[in-house]
Amino acid sequence: AQSVTQLDSHVSVSEGTPVLLRCNYSSSYSPSLFWYVQHPNKGLQLLLKYTSAATLVKGINGFEAEFKKSETSFHLTKPSAHMSDAAEYFCVAQSFPGTASKLTFGTGTRLQVTL
Amino acid sequence: EAGVAQSPRYKIIEKRQSVAFWCNPISGHATLYWYQQILGQGPKLLIQFQNNGVVDDSQLPKDRFSAERLKGVDSTLKIQPAKLEDSAVYLCASSLATETGELFFGEGSRLTVL
Repeated sequence: AQSVTQLDSHVSVSEGTPVLLRCNYSSSYSPSLFWYVQHPNKGLQLLLKYTSAATLVKGINGFEAEFKKSETSFHLTKPSAHMSDAAEYFCVAQSFPGTASKLTFGTGTRLQVTL
Repeated sequence: EAGVAQSPRYKIIEKRQSVAFWCNPISGHATLYWYQQILGQGPKLLIQFQNNGVVDDSQLPKDRFSAERLKGVDSTLKIQPAKLEDSAVYLCASSLATETGELFFGEGSRLTVL
C-alpha cells in the first residue's frame, strides 16, 4: 500500500530565511509525487510535480523539490521565505491501482512565516 | 479561464438534517472529484467521476452520502442524514483526465453539523 508521511505538522521560519518541508513516501515502485499549497479558506493549488524526469523539480513562487529514491523522500524547499508563503502544504503521491489514478495525501504541514 | 466553482461556501445544520453541495468544474475537464477535509487532516477522496460515470466511490459512506454527475458536467454531493462527524470542508476538484495528478480545486464548502 502507498503512504505519505509529512514529518512536521508545523514549521515556523523568519521572513528571508530558507524553508524546508519534509515528506517521505512508501511505495513498491517510483510514484509520481506532487506538492500542493492551501492558503486559508482557499482551495488547493499545485506547486510542483515529479513524474520520473529530472529529480530536481522547480515549481511556482520559487519553490523546488528533490526526489531521492534512496531516501524515499521528496522534500520541499525555498531559499528565502516570504510572508505570502504562510499556508498549509500537502505532499501527495499518485498510484494506479486500476485504470484510474489514486492520490494519497499527507496530513499537511502548516508553514508560519514571521517578521 | 474560470476555475472550479462550489456553493454554498458555508453551511450550518443540525444533526439528522440534510445538505447538498454543488460543483461546476473547469470547462472541458472530464474527471471530477469530491474530497472531504476534516480539520487538521489531508483531503480524503469520497468519489471520483469520469464524465458521468463513477470511477471510485470506495470511501463514500453510501448509507448517508450520495453524489451524481448526470450530464457529465456539474455535480451534486448530498448528505442525509448528517452526523456530527460530517463537519468538514468538502472540496471539489477537476482534471483533464483520470490519469493525471494535476487537480484544480474549488475553494470548498465548509459544513458545520451541530
